[in-house]
Amino acid sequence: QKEVEQDPGPLSVPEGAIVSLNCTYSNSAFQYFMWYRQYSRKGPELLMYTYSSGNKEDGRFTAQVDKSSKYISLFIRDSQPSDSATYLCAMRLPSGAQKLVFGQGTRLTINP
Amino acid sequence: DAGITQSPRHKVTETGTPVTLRCHQTENHRYMYWYRQDPGHGLRLIHYSYGVKDTDKGEVSDGYSVSRSKTEDFLLTLESATSSQTSVYFCATTPSHTSNTEAFFGQGTRLTVV
Repeated sequence: QKEVEQDPGPLSVPEGAIVSLNCTYSNSAFQYFMWYRQYSRKGPELLMYTYSSGNKEDGRFTAQVDKSSKYISLFIRDSQPSDSATYLCAMRLPSGAQKLVFGQGTRLTINP
Repeated sequence: DAGITQSPRHKVTETGTPVTLRCHQTENHRYMYWYRQDPGHGLRLIHYSYGVKDTDKGEVSDGYSVSRSKTEDFLLTLESATSSQTSVYFCATTPSHTSNTEAFFGQGTRLTVV
């Protein structure tokens, strides 16, 4: 069983829709939770960063962490065609080198 | 842009040959990492470095070695390439191990082993 599970999709929604992306994990020691966005043929770029449990909002993006359920989510409001990309959840332990454990990635397409 | 350059960007090699991929950074970041990305697996850590000449293994290190002789360069070597090592390889850097530190990724090297 993978340490971090993410539905690979693909997910296709119309422009303006609310998108929900999710990951579950098994290691309760993870403390830092991230969402990366990766456009085709590019490297991942950090989108959202959350420490421990709680919510974090940045513009149209909201990240939620529920450590009791070992579940994290990314919500995209008013989705735009430019949001079409692969979204990767990642997490890591609180100490040592920043070794990231990634989910499989969800390919998202926003249709105009 | 964190100033990470990977070379080559694309490579086709034959089974059994050694291959070296290079990651060069201009940010003076302490930590450097090599990940591979495959369908259905996301990114998986191969090796990482926490300083010059200081390296350690990641999740999928078998068949790979690394070296870091200068802060700015981190080399990944496939000792004897196999078809299972066909993948996209990403280098990443972080400035320190403290909290709230973003990992910056290069553009990737697409390696095909035939």
